[in-house]
Amino acid sequence: GAVVSQHPSRVICKSGTSVKIECRSLDFQATTMFWYRQFPKQSLMLMATSNEGSKATYEQGVEKDKFLINHASLTLSTLTVTSAHPEDSSFYICSASAGPHTEAFFGQGTRLTVV
Amino acid sequence: AQSVAQPEDQVNVAEGNPLTVKCTYSVSGNPYLFWYVQYPNRGLQFLLKYITGDNLVKGSYGFEAEFNKSQTSFHLKKPSALVSDSALYFCAVRDGNNFNKFYFGSGTKLNVKP
Repeated sequence: GAVVSQHPSRVICKSGTSVKIECRSLDFQATTMFWYRQFPKQSLMLMATSNEGSKATYEQGVEKDKFLINHASLTLSTLTVTSAHPEDSSFYICSASAGPHTEAFFGQGTRLTVV
Repeated sequence: AQSVAQPEDQVNVAEGNPLTVKCTYSVSGNPYLFWYVQYPNRGLQFLLKYITGDNLVKGSYGFEAEFNKSQTSFHLKKPSALVSDSALYFCAVRDGNNFNKFYFGSGTKLNVKP
């Protein structure tokens, strides 16, 4: 299958700082990228969807100003958690899709810990 | 609203027996349905998908799934389970009316015992 690389895999940051997570499709062009948050023993919660060259679409309840998403190219999307707080600590997962009728391929996830 | 339901948190089956992991969905448009598997400390891996065509789709590792429009279901099946199939399985749906919506079920832990 196609490869999606997510970086970093783990990050610890101080409360109040910002953290950027990168998601890259290595061997295909991703017209759409999805960002999820996964809580322990729970499913993936869709946070937002980004399409290359346009603004991200956020799910209800997700703060746009706190979780900044940029999809600048067909191979790269970034999620920036701004002014992080301990309650933002979680496992963040990205996935990338080459088209509307195709499956999405997943990155390995990023474990964010805010102290 | 779009949603995916996996009614079983856990499924236990003996090696060599058939397995079924259940999934039902709700979308406003045509459903695009997927199954993924997650092994411990690994990312989600794509297993199979239904977009259109035959209701029975075959995927990786001998898995298959049957799309049932009347029951809005997409159950995952395998004729003979292996211990190595033990993992967390997720059903997902993408809404044909809004491809930005890609939702996952709560996951089902499959335990295959020797």
